[in-house]
Amino acid sequence: LAKTTQPISMDSYEGQEVNITCSHNNIATNDYITWYQQFPSQGPRFIIQGYKTKVTNEVASLFIPADRKSSTLSLPRVSLSDTAVYYCLVGARSNDYKLSFGAGTTVTVRA
Amino acid sequence: ETGVTQTPRHLVMGMTNKKSLKCEQHLGHNAMYWYKQSAKKPLELMFVYSLEERVENNSVPSRFSPECPNSSHLFLHLHTLQPEDSALYLCASSLTGVGTEAFFGQGTRLTVV
Repeated sequence: LAKTTQPISMDSYEGQEVNITCSHNNIATNDYITWYQQFPSQGPRFIIQGYKTKVTNEVASLFIPADRKSSTLSLPRVSLSDTAVYYCLVGARSNDYKLSFGAGTTVTVRA
Repeated sequence: ETGVTQTPRHLVMGMTNKKSLKCEQHLGHNAMYWYKQSAKKPLELMFVYSLEERVENNSVPSRFSPECPNSSHLFLHLHTLQPEDSALYLCASSLTGVGTEAFFGQGTRLTVV
């Protein structure tokens, strides 16, 4: 399982775009990049997943450069309810079960 | 509603009690996970089952005993716990491994007195 590194915390204001970068220098060919969001006293929730280039859904965008050694989660126009911990995970879709969440990035959105 | 159901939602138990946590999913997933999350701390992966076979066991004390009777159900049996075991216990499932979307239950808030 490729190890990931992401900032411990980020502050933002309502209406701004938040970009969280995750480093995964040892990513393997079969690995996918997945981001989760967690609110206090709840389990993490899937946000977005990608393999290369750019992925966009109704919640976020994920940018992955050609070398795939990092990825950036982009949250457009955040609101107070986006205050949460965001996790970056890297792993394969088969025979890879160490679904470990690190400390994540605590994003605090202020009014 | 994630499709992963945990019971009970809250549990208070004495250090000499024996209790069990239950997790159920009908998503057709093959992998199921137990996590512990203490206050303001990261998630700790405890156990992983794939097709009812335990594939990960992260140095968890023997007072926690998992059981996976089939691919839809996962139990965590608890006995002679310590106050420091008080935490939120989360169950999750995924189709296969890390690279597939994991779905989490609402968790069981455990208090050991």
